[in-house]
Amino acid sequence: AQSVTQLGSHVSVSEGALVLLRCNYSSSVPPYLFWYVQYPNQGLQLLLKYTSAATLVKGINGFEAEFKKSETSFHLTKPSAHMSDAAEYFCAVSSYNNNDMRFGAGTRLTVKP
Amino acid sequence: EAEVAQSPRYKITEKSQAVAFWCDPISGHATLYWYRQILGQGPELLVQFQDESVVDDSQLPKDRFSAERLKGVDSTLKIQPAELGDSAMYLCASSLASGRTNSPLHFGNGTRLTVT
Repeated sequence: AQSVTQLGSHVSVSEGALVLLRCNYSSSVPPYLFWYVQYPNQGLQLLLKYTSAATLVKGINGFEAEFKKSETSFHLTKPSAHMSDAAEYFCAVSSYNNNDMRFGAGTRLTVKP
Repeated sequence: EAEVAQSPRYKITEKSQAVAFWCDPISGHATLYWYRQILGQGPELLVQFQDESVVDDSQLPKDRFSAERLKGVDSTLKIQPAELGDSAMYLCASSLASGRTNSPLHFGNGTRLTVT
């Protein structure tokens, strides 16, 4: 069975500061990893995905994530936070055929002016 | 860009009543998912379809929940009778057929259900 753990249910940063959202996964097979963003009362939107190619994955809106097998981590970063980045972020893991995608509990990002 | 359509956006119902949600996936997406998202938590899979067939409904409370995708396109999720604990956001997602490793899920905007 696969699972993800997101460390920190709430993260607050100042505008222009580094954003770091943490995700650790557990998987018995090579994982596929995803980050999704959710704005209030909306569905989830894909930010980026890791599917066994490059370990550093670049996504939309300036976000990127690095797959570290030795640490079983897939942390999400952005060099400079913008007010529009305030949202809920979900890390997810699945295996080859997406039959078993599992989401973390989410991290709420607040950006202070 | 094509979107997953869901309706209604909001639904308020009294406990013990029946309620239904509808989802129209992106055209050509063979796989359809229903997730339940309780406030403050991540989405939890209720049921997954591949075309018209159920692939996984192990987490669907079958005594009160049912889902169908009769023609392998749109889908309906029903709850009867609704309970207070069913209050949540119900999200529909679709993706290209299983086995396509680069096929992320595309989500609709969800239906927020409140049971009173």
